[in-house]
Amino acid sequence: DAEITQSPRHKITETGRQVTLACHQTWNHNNMFWYRQDLGHGLRLIHYSYGVQDTNKGEVSDGYSVSRSNTEDLPLTLESAASSQTSVYFCASSGGSQETQYFGPGTRLLVL
Amino acid sequence: AQSVTQPDIHITVSEGASLELRCNYSYGATPYLFWYVQSPGQGLQLLLKYFSGDTLVQGIKGFEAEFKRSQSSFNLRKPSVHWSDAAEYFCAVIFPMNYGGSQGNLIFGKGTKLSVKP
Repeated sequence: DAEITQSPRHKITETGRQVTLACHQTWNHNNMFWYRQDLGHGLRLIHYSYGVQDTNKGEVSDGYSVSRSNTEDLPLTLESAASSQTSVYFCASSGGSQETQYFGPGTRLLVL
Repeated sequence: AQSVTQPDIHITVSEGASLELRCNYSYGATPYLFWYVQSPGQGLQLLLKYFSGDTLVQGIKGFEAEFKRSQSSFNLRKPSVHWSDAAEYFCAVIFPMNYGGSQGNLIFGKGTKLSVKP
């Protein structure tokens, strides 16, 4: 069965370190998304991609970057981790811009 | 800007009672509408969606939702709640491409946490 996976599931890091969260989907979806979930804010869009070599900023993109070198993967990089980036991160994918998004299990990140 | 409102942050119902979770959106036309459920420590699972057609849509786990254009609402219902329904529920919408710069991205409400009393 097709799926979307995220790794690691849990990560503890220190302020100032670079961190990369992996997202891999086997749906062959063109569109991939990264969200963060924080209490009281729901899910907020960080970055998204509509295809290979395409990346776009979302609502809360400062301090994050993504790159899309193939269809299956959209890694999210925190260039210099900050305590404000402690959150749960979800990756999602969809077959088109107006189609259902399917979510990964999430990565819980703690920045000390 | 487009927005999605879930007015109830937390709802508690008794097991076996009926449930209605509210969702309203701000937009002049009909977006694509979704309800997702998130169990503790888990990812989001799609319950149901509305794109067009019959305004009453059936989903998984016995849930249904009704789209009311006049009220810009898409409320989620279940006739009899089970203890396993305790979770957080998110309403989300996709506005059409190139409207207000959203480019068809999913916009979430802030969620409603459902607790179930035995």
